[in-house]
Amino acid sequence: DTAVSQTPKYLVTQMGNDKSIKCEQNLGHDTMYWYKQDSKKFLKIMFSYNNKELIINETVPNRFSPKSPDKAHLNLHINSLELGDSAVYFCASSTGWPSAEAFFGQGTRLTVV
Amino acid sequence: TQLLEQSPQFLSIQEGENLTVYCNSSSVFSSLQWYRQEPGEGPVLLVTVVTGGEVKKLKRLTFQFGDARKDSSLHITAAQPGDTGLYLCAFEYSGGGADGLTFGKGTHLIIQP
Repeated sequence: DTAVSQTPKYLVTQMGNDKSIKCEQNLGHDTMYWYKQDSKKFLKIMFSYNNKELIINETVPNRFSPKSPDKAHLNLHINSLELGDSAVYFCASSTGWPSAEAFFGQGTRLTVV
Repeated sequence: TQLLEQSPQFLSIQEGENLTVYCNSSSVFSSLQWYRQEPGEGPVLLVTVVTGGEVKKLKRLTFQFGDARKDSSLHITAAQPGDTGLYLCAFEYSGGGADGLTFGKGTHLIIQP
């Protein structure tokens, strides 16, 4: 069974559209994350979330919003997509203690045209 | 300011050779993590180093944490094509996983048969 799964793997959409990426983890972890990897492969945290707290990286536009229906899911919703949003988005989870050793999904390659 | 400097950025060597990649910073870390990312996949945790001077071995991979806990290295002995990938070091600002991980820009490693 895949520990952290995200869908879709590829997403091509037009500017201005709204899209969502889904993520599920079956590891029983308390903390989930969204990371963005740019074209140069630089990986940057966007959000971390557990059942108590959402922590938002201050550089993330408010067009991006995480939504967690339950502990095992953290979906990423993006409004009014822009060309610069094109990247690979990774969902991850961790126990959160003693450190954020993360288990990553396979990524969603988002292309905005 | 890049908190984690990884070098070299790119490395291409022949199968059977040895190599070392570095992760340096002016900051002191409570721990550092190393990940490997293969094309089309998410990063996979290789090791976490916690104690200054610590050496950890994972088959042909040897990880070292600097005495002052500001730097780390990864040495691969007798590299194989399967070692090809993007090697990332990462830390978290605070324990507990709330902040997620901050990554270096990575070392792109290619092992040629």
